Amino acid sequence: GIQVEQSPPDLILQEGANSTLRCNFSDSVNNLQWFHQNPWGQLINLFYIPSGTKQNGRLSATTVATERYSLLYISSSQTTDSGVYFCAVLKNDYKLSFGAGTTVTVRA
Amino acid sequence: ETGVTQSPTHLIKTRGQQVTLRCSSQSGHNTVSWYQQALGQGPQFIFQYYREEENGRGNFPPRFSGLQFPNYSSELNVNALELDDSALYLCASSPLGTDTQYFGPGTRLTVL
Repeated sequence: GIQVEQSPPDLILQEGANSTLRCNFSDSVNNLQWFHQNPWGQLINLFYIPSGTKQNGRLSATTVATERYSLLYISSSQTTDSGVYFCAVLKNDYKLSFGAGTTVTVRA
Repeated sequence: ETGVTQSPTHLIKTRGQQVTLRCSSQSGHNTVSWYQQALGQGPQFIFQYYREEENGRGNFPPRFSGLQFPNYSSELNVNALELDDSALYLCASSPLGTDTQYFGPGTRLTVL
């Protein structure tokens, strides 16, 4: 099956700092989603981005499908940005394959 | 707010028992998927239902089974519970014509 690797595994930020999370995948995909998992376990959709660039407030994402990677940018980080960020991809089937996640801690 | 709800929120069972977890999605979301997330890991795909039929299955044994109902609700049943079944179970639904998945808040199952 398709392999998804996320880096770094852990990230500690001071409030106000910017950061970049990376997701590499091993094959072409039809769908790529970024999620934020809050401390209660809820997976919150951030972006549906199989290719191109999207922005939503302080978050933006870029997927370069031909090179099989995606980047999630967090600007002016806030303590509420803390949590685990997952990248998940879907090929020509029915299941999302998730990476292991990046745990982000934003300190005040 | 994804419009996907799950019940119960938490559940404690003992080894060998059976459990049923429930999920309710929005009208028009005719595909539902279930995932298992062990502590510290990413979610793993269990199976997907489309129009009340199993549409695909991950690497889980037959004691994991499911149902989808016409009213956009779904069940995950696990028989003969094992300690390793302790995890967060997530349900996700997709609107008709899309492959974007929206997740519910999950059910945290503890097997003692």
